Amino acid sequence: NSKVIQTPRYLVKGQGQKAKMRCIPEKGHPVVFWYQQNKNNEFKFLINFQNQEVLQQIDMTEKRFSAECPSNSPCSLEIQSSEAGDSALYLCASSPHNTEVFFGKGTRLTVV
Amino acid sequence: GEQVEQLPSSLIVQEGASVLINCSYTDSASVYFPWYKQEPGKRLQFIIDIRSNMERKQNQRLTLLFDKKTKHLSLHITATQPGDSAIYFCSPGTGGYKVVFGSGTRLLVSP
Repeated sequence: NSKVIQTPRYLVKGQGQKAKMRCIPEKGHPVVFWYQQNKNNEFKFLINFQNQEVLQQIDMTEKRFSAECPSNSPCSLEIQSSEAGDSALYLCASSPHNTEVFFGKGTRLTVV
Repeated sequence: GEQVEQLPSSLIVQEGASVLINCSYTDSASVYFPWYKQEPGKRLQFIIDIRSNMERKQNQRLTLLFDKKTKHLSLHITATQPGDSAIYFCSPGTGGYKVVFGSGTRLLVSP
């Protein structure tokens, strides 16, 4: 049973507003992922961390998205200026590495 | 990068039927193949995995077949139940930090 906790479950923002979501990975999992799942259920990888350090991130993440995973604090993903196309389910996941990934329930962002 | 294709995209079956979900990938460096199930409103849930040194793995009603040569996996679910209704994703990985997902197969099991 996954113990990855994501908050909030739902987030509604106006275009141009900041949107911030948080994730507490499972204890002892060094790797944390953020994905965006669109309404067609397709996954888009955003960023991953190992022990607070960014491993990989896509261009989109570098520009309007920011993410961090500080030690002893929840990880976070923030969209600086929300756009309609950002409306999606944002999934946080953690992994012990080289094994299955454990997911949170997600934050559903709606940009109006 | 890795390209993952799942077929079919959707399935509707009667309770008790067996189903087969296919997954093809392109990256020959992929060595670890977990599958996940996503039910509406619930988190993605790991259901079964296989590593590249195996050809077959079974977990109760789930059987996963792997063909390294053709870069193809098949998930076989027997005696389906309404609770199996979900979207199923294969997720080929190199065993490192790169995790990708197939396009998903939506399964609906009617009572």
